[in-house]
Amino acid sequence: QKEVEQNSGPLSVPEGAIASLNCTYSDRGSQSFFWYRQYSGKSPELIMFIYSNGDKEDGRFTAQLNKASQYVSLLIRDSQPSDSATYLCAVTGGYQKVTFGIGTKLQVIP
Amino acid sequence: GAGVSQSPSNKVTEKGKDVELRCDPISGHTALYWYRQSLGQGLEFLIYFQGNSAPDKSGLPSDRFSAERTGGSVSTLTIQRTQQEDSAVYLCASSLGTKNIQYFGAGTRLSVL
Repeated sequence: QKEVEQNSGPLSVPEGAIASLNCTYSDRGSQSFFWYRQYSGKSPELIMFIYSNGDKEDGRFTAQLNKASQYVSLLIRDSQPSDSATYLCAVTGGYQKVTFGIGTKLQVIP
Repeated sequence: GAGVSQSPSNKVTEKGKDVELRCDPISGHTALYWYRQSLGQGLEFLIYFQGNSAPDKSGLPSDRFSAERTGGSVSTLTIQRTQQEDSAVYLCASSLGTKNIQYFGAGTRLSVL
């Protein structure tokens, strides 16, 4: 059973639209939730983290967490072609191992 | 250095040879992770260290793979008798504390001929 699930995509959105990326996790004890962006041929880089239920906004990015539903999402407003990348959801509980999803490939069409 | 450093950046080896990959984490980071990523695939967890001990080695694909960490700092991933299916990018990440925000190195691209 996969511990962190994501749709691999590709998710295609037109430039300027909102991209919505989703992730579910199985461990109810999870405490920390992350979104990483990985450009082709590059290493993952952290773009958002969230620890509490609700929304967290940073510029064009909003992370949403619902622990009761074991669901994390990332919204990207005003999507740009430069946002085209694979977005990895990651989950951990304190000092435990970080578990990554397979990643969702996002394509922003000019 | 300011970030996670991995060496070599590229390694080409012949099938059957042993290779060592090195990771130098961010100074003070207590946790260190090794991942493998094949072309077009997701991150495959290999092993992680908390200090010098490895609470979870469950991702190591076979007994040809081993890793160690000394002094709570540098880690070495060793692959013995390399096979073509070992060809991938090997990524290292380090983190500090319970928030566990991971910072990745640039990776080592391993090619087994």
